[in-house]
Amino acid sequence: DAGVIQSPRHEVTEMGQEVTLRCKPISGHDYLFWYRQTMMRGLELLIYFNNNVPIDDSGMPEDRFSAKMPNASFSTLKIQPSEPRDSAVYFCASSLGGSWAGDKAETQYFGPGTRLLVL
Amino acid sequence: KNQVEQSPQSLIILEGKNCTLQCNYTVSPFSNLRWYKQDTGRGPVSLTIMTFSENTKSNGRYTATLDADTKQSSLHITASQLSDSASYICVVSYYTDKLIFGTGTRLQVFP
Repeated sequence: DAGVIQSPRHEVTEMGQEVTLRCKPISGHDYLFWYRQTMMRGLELLIYFNNNVPIDDSGMPEDRFSAKMPNASFSTLKIQPSEPRDSAVYFCASSLGGSWAGDKAETQYFGPGTRLLVL
Repeated sequence: KNQVEQSPQSLIILEGKNCTLQCNYTVSPFSNLRWYKQDTGRGPVSLTIMTFSENTKSNGRYTATLDADTKQSSLHITASQLSDSASYICVVSYYTDKLIFGTGTRLQVFP
């Protein structure tokens, strides 16, 4: 398996523009997570899906952020309009199970991340 | 307040030496604790996952311990290698789906 795939790997945009980040989870994984990582705040969980359904979006910072998972093999994280403080590395991760599952099922596999710079 | 604190923030050691990273948490109700390794410019990779009843778990040269009573965990790296240079992140789960991340320890191994 190729692992979790994210695109683009790098994105530079201007303030006010719409940004769409894409993720393909590992085939067969039921859970998909979106994270944001900055030097100041470290890793933050934004939202996660179970079987394509958003379960917890309490980490989404503002209404400017939205995430969708139209099918089991694709998810998007959209920022509209983007702001300079959104600059960060955005990671997508997937896993077989949630926190209450057994050892193997709980492992989250991270993608390489998308480095976003908003000017 | 649910918190995960890691120490030290950064650590420099010589190749071949052992080191121990610390993670203290104030999270309730505890579900599990994970250690991740993150190489520069890459996504985190899971090293170990421990539930309440597990005291120790190994993954090659990495050994994690958990003391649920004192709410402390450690990650011990034996015979360090240059490839161990990375950030190590402690993550604690509570309830069934909540996660608290530590800010990480940056380890640098020099020859």
